[in-house]
Formats: sequence, structure tokens, C-alpha cells
Amino acid sequence: EVQLVESGGGLVQPGGSLRLSCAASGFTFSDYYMDWVRQAPGKGLEWVARIRNRAKSYTTDYAASVKGRFTVSRDDSDNSLYLQMSSLKTEDTAVYYCARLFAGGYWGQGTLVTVSS
Amino acid sequence: QAVVTQEPSLTVSPGGTVTLTCDSSTGPVTSASGHFPYWFQQKPGQAPRTLIYDTKNRHSWTPARFSGSLLGGKAALTLSGAQPDDEAEYYCSLYYSGAWVFGGGTQLTVL
Repeated sequence: EVQLVESGGGLVQPGGSLRLSCAASGFTFSDYYMDWVRQAPGKGLEWVARIRNRAKSYTTDYAASVKGRFTVSRDDSDNSLYLQMSSLKTEDTAVYYCARLFAGGYWGQGTLVTVSS
Repeated sequence: QAVVTQEPSLTVSPGGTVTLTCDSSTGPVTSASGHFPYWFQQKPGQAPRTLIYDTKNRHSWTPARFSGSLLGGKAALTLSGAQPDDEAEYYCSLYYSGAWVFGGGTQLTVL
């Protein structure tokens, strides 16, 4: 059974940084592209970032709203996905989901990030 | 930046049939367009759950009353025999050369 478990969310001040983690199990993590998706309170879903697999040289893509501030990475030896967020803004406040969107669409339960002074 | 459009809200009677659509601003969604339409269901306080992937493929947990298709240049999700438990927000997503774009969601009411 595919499982994705996020951690690392919390309260951070504007301009601050935070690192989210996602622990994956139940599938061969290294084979798959992985994504981060967020949902601001009361709003819809917004794709944030993707990292491809080793075969695609771990290349990354980002939404325009986070490009230059967020960095997605992975550790295939540990079946882990990360999202390093810096220069955070109040509009980054959201539940952040780890997801395997290609090949079936699997989601974690999300972790809440609140950016506020 | 592509825009994906869904109906903001729809209402269906219990036992009835309703079709939700997912429209791309860049042109028709077809089997060759590379959009790989996905459909997600989200209930309040819960994470999204994938119902349909790659246009028409169901997961093991997807009730048979949900089906995905392409309809008139759009991706479509049809619910046949609506149940009260189907009341939820439904999102579609389309793939655009490296980025997923989500629609704004359809609030489905079963009434």
C-alpha cells in the first residue's frame, strides 16, 4: 500500500524558512516523479513543485509563485522527499501535500504551514 | 500559464446522473494532447483522493458509479446513481509540459 507521510509544518514568520519532509513507503520510491501540492485555507489546490527520478537526472520544475524561493529534493536511499521553503510570505500559508501525481495519483495527509507575525 | 476551468457548483438528485467537466484554456483535451486528466474528490478536513487517472482509469477504491471520459474537447467525470456520500468538492488536473494545473473545483451537492 502506497503511503506518504508529511512532517515539518508549523508557524513561521514572514521572511523565514522551513523544511518539509515526506516519508514514502509501499512502492519503489526511486522509480517515480514526486510532487508537492498546497491548499490555502478555504481555497483550491495549487501544484507547487516536482522532482523527477534518477533516470531523468532529478530535474525539477516549480510553480511561478514559488520559483527561486522553494527547492524540492529527494533522498532515494531513505525514500524521502523534501521541500525547502525560504523567504516565506503570508500567502504561502497552506496545507502542503506530498503527492505522487503521475502513475495513479497518491496523496499524503498534508502538513500545515502558517506564515504569520 | 494555462487555466483549467470547472463548473463552480452542481446539484444532483440522489440516484441521478451528473457530468462534471474540465476545460483547458490552451485548446481541446484529447487522447493525444498529453494532458493526462485526473479527477480528485475532497471532503471537508480531508486530503484529496484520486478517483480517476489518465482520463478514465479507476482506482480500486473508486466506486463504479464514477467514470472518466473525454467529451467535446474537455475531460469529464460522470457520476451515475449519486449517493449522499458523494457530496464533496471535485478537482480536475491537467498536465502541461512539466507542470500540473488544477481546476478551481466543483462543489457537488446531492439534494
